[in-house]
Amino acid sequence: QKEVEQNSGPLSVPEGAIASLNCTYSDRVSQSFFWYRQYSGKSPELIMSIYSNGDKEDGRFTAQLNKASQYVSLLIRDSQPSDSATYLCAVNSWGKFQFGAGTQVVVTP
Amino acid sequence: DTAVSQTPKYLVTQMGNDKSIKCEQNLGHDTMYWYKQDSKKFLKIMFSYNNKELIINETVPNRFSPKSPDKAHLNLHINSLELGDSAVYFCASSPSSGGGYEQYFGPGTRLTVT
Repeated sequence: QKEVEQNSGPLSVPEGAIASLNCTYSDRVSQSFFWYRQYSGKSPELIMSIYSNGDKEDGRFTAQLNKASQYVSLLIRDSQPSDSATYLCAVNSWGKFQFGAGTQVVVTP
Repeated sequence: DTAVSQTPKYLVTQMGNDKSIKCEQNLGHDTMYWYKQDSKKFLKIMFSYNNKELIINETVPNRFSPKSPDKAHLNLHINSLELGDSAVYFCASSPSSGGGYEQYFGPGTRLTVT
């Protein structure tokens, strides 16, 4: 069983719509959770971090964490073509980061 | 004013050669990492150093040897390169080695072994 799981996609989203990305993790004692955006040929870029249950909003991005269900999600509102990228879910357990395989998002005009 | 930098950006070499990749961070972070991203885009941790001390050493062939001369630098030396070593190698840094910190990535080094 993979320790951090994401749907690989591609997730096709019309411009202006909401993109919803999901991630589950297996280590119950994981302490912090992150979403990274990776454009093709580029390095992962941190876009959201979340540490406690609930929602965290930053601009068009909202991260949601449910530790009981071991579930993290990312919502991208008003999706733009520039949001087309691979989104990586990352989990930090005592300093060891584990990444999901990423979800490719394609925003169509 | 790059936060995490790596050199070289591209590395093309033949099987059997030895090569090094260098990483530097100017964020004042204590912890640095090496990751390998393969053709399927999966990011896998290889090593982590905290204040020059090795703290994570995943199952990696011993042809790979990291070295941290100080907490701002982490280098990766690879001996006897194999075709399967072709990948993008990312350096990353984090404020500390604990569980509550984020990571920042360098631009990556694309290694191609022919």
